Amino acid sequence: GAVVSQHPSRVICKSGTSVKIECRSLDFQATTMFWYRQFPKQSLMLMATSNEGSKATYEQGVEKDKFLINHASLTLSTLTVTSAHPEDSSFYICSARGTESNIQYFGAGTRLSVL
Amino acid sequence: GQNIDQPTEMTATEGAIVQINCTYQTSGFNGLFWYQQHAGEAPTFLSYNVLDGLEEKGRFSSFLSRSKGYSYLLLKELQMKDSASYLCAVRDLIRNAGNMLTFGGGTRLMVKP
Repeated sequence: GAVVSQHPSRVICKSGTSVKIECRSLDFQATTMFWYRQFPKQSLMLMATSNEGSKATYEQGVEKDKFLINHASLTLSTLTVTSAHPEDSSFYICSARGTESNIQYFGAGTRLSVL
Repeated sequence: GQNIDQPTEMTATEGAIVQINCTYQTSGFNGLFWYQQHAGEAPTFLSYNVLDGLEEKGRFSSFLSRSKGYSYLLLKELQMKDSASYLCAVRDLIRNAGNMLTFGGGTRLMVKP
């Protein structure tokens, strides 16, 4: 299957700092990437859909100024958690879907802990 | 809106067979996916069904009935490493131009010796 690389895998930061998470499709071009958040023992909640070259589409209740998404190329999308607070601590996962596939492939996830 | 229901937890014995059910309600069904997720890791793709019937892939099979809004994932010859959460996800043509998946709550499967 296709490979999606997500970096970093773990971040510990102080409250008020910003954190950038990268998501790359390594062997295919991803016209669409997705960002999810997952709290312990809960399912994946879609935060936003990122399309290359256009603005991201955010789900209801997700603050776009808080979670900045940039889909700069067909292989890279970034999520920046701005002015992170302890309640932003979570597992963030990206996925990517190629132009000719119905399947979303997931990155390994980023565990964010805000102190 | 979408409703995706699956059992929260299941327990099975090593070597046995287990069936994990998923029911859904959606306006513009365009495919159902099963993913496996080990604790603290990202989901990995298991299967995709868009037409009625059974798709078999090694020890794992997935079944879909669109008229009933029903799918199941069948795991045979269970191994300890199959202990994980299994996520049912539905793709809806109407939502976000059919790009997004909506996930069920996941079924946590525990395989015992």
